[in-house]
Amino acid sequence: GAGVSQSPRYKVAKRGQDVALRCDPISGHVSLFWYQQALGQGPEFLTYFQNEAQLDKSGLPSDRFFAERPEGSVSTLKIQRTQQEDSAVYLCASSQWTGTYSNQPQHFGDGTRLSIL
Amino acid sequence: AQKVTQAQTEISVVEKEDVTLDCVYETRDTTYYLFWYKQPPSGELVFLIRRNSFDEQNEISGRYSWNFQKSTSSFNFTITASQVVDSAVYFCALRSGSARQLTFGSGTQLTVLP
Repeated sequence: GAGVSQSPRYKVAKRGQDVALRCDPISGHVSLFWYQQALGQGPEFLTYFQNEAQLDKSGLPSDRFFAERPEGSVSTLKIQRTQQEDSAVYLCASSQWTGTYSNQPQHFGDGTRLSIL
Repeated sequence: AQKVTQAQTEISVVEKEDVTLDCVYETRDTTYYLFWYKQPPSGELVFLIRRNSFDEQNEISGRYSWNFQKSTSSFNFTITASQVVDSAVYFCALRSGSARQLTFGSGTQLTVLP
C-alpha cells in the first residue's frame, strides 16, 4: 500500500484479555518500529525490527508485551493479560534502511486506540 | 540519554499569522538528526522536515521554515501565514547517535482560528 496500515483502528478489551495489533508497513521498508502514545504525550519507543530480526525491545514495559515480524513484512504486537494502564494509542512506523547513521524519516500509521475496561 | 523539550503546550493564532514552535533537545552524541511531525485529529503522524546535526543551514520550504542552532540546542519550526488546516499537534523528535528509535517531545497543540 501507499502508507503504513494498522488494524484494528479501535480495540476495546476487558482487563485480563489478550489482544493482538497488526501493522502492515510500506512495501520494501526494512525497518519497523512500535511506539506507545499515552493521552496528551509524545510517542514512546517500544521495539524495533530490521527485517524479521527484533534488534531492540528495550522499550517494552513488561513481559506481557510481545512483538513479532516473522517474514520481515507484517508485524504483530501482542499484549497478554491486559491491564488498565495498557490503554493508549499504539503506533507503528516503518522506514527505509535505518543504518547506524541515517536520516531516513519514519512513516507512521494511524495507530490503534486500545481501551482496557 | 536523549531528551526533547517542547515548552509550549498550546498555542492559538488567528489565520494568516506567523507562528513559531519551540524545541530544545539534549544529547551527548555529535551526530544526530532532528525531525518535526504533525499529528492531526485523525491520529497519523505526518513527517514534515528533518535536519542533520552537521548541517546548520536553515531553510524554507513553502510556508515552513526552521531555525537550527547548535549553540542553544534548539530546533524551532515556523509556519508562515497560518491556515485553519494547520491546526494539529506538532512534535519535535530526535534520533541520536547509533539509536534507531526517535525520542519525542510532549507536543504543542496549535489551533488556528478563522
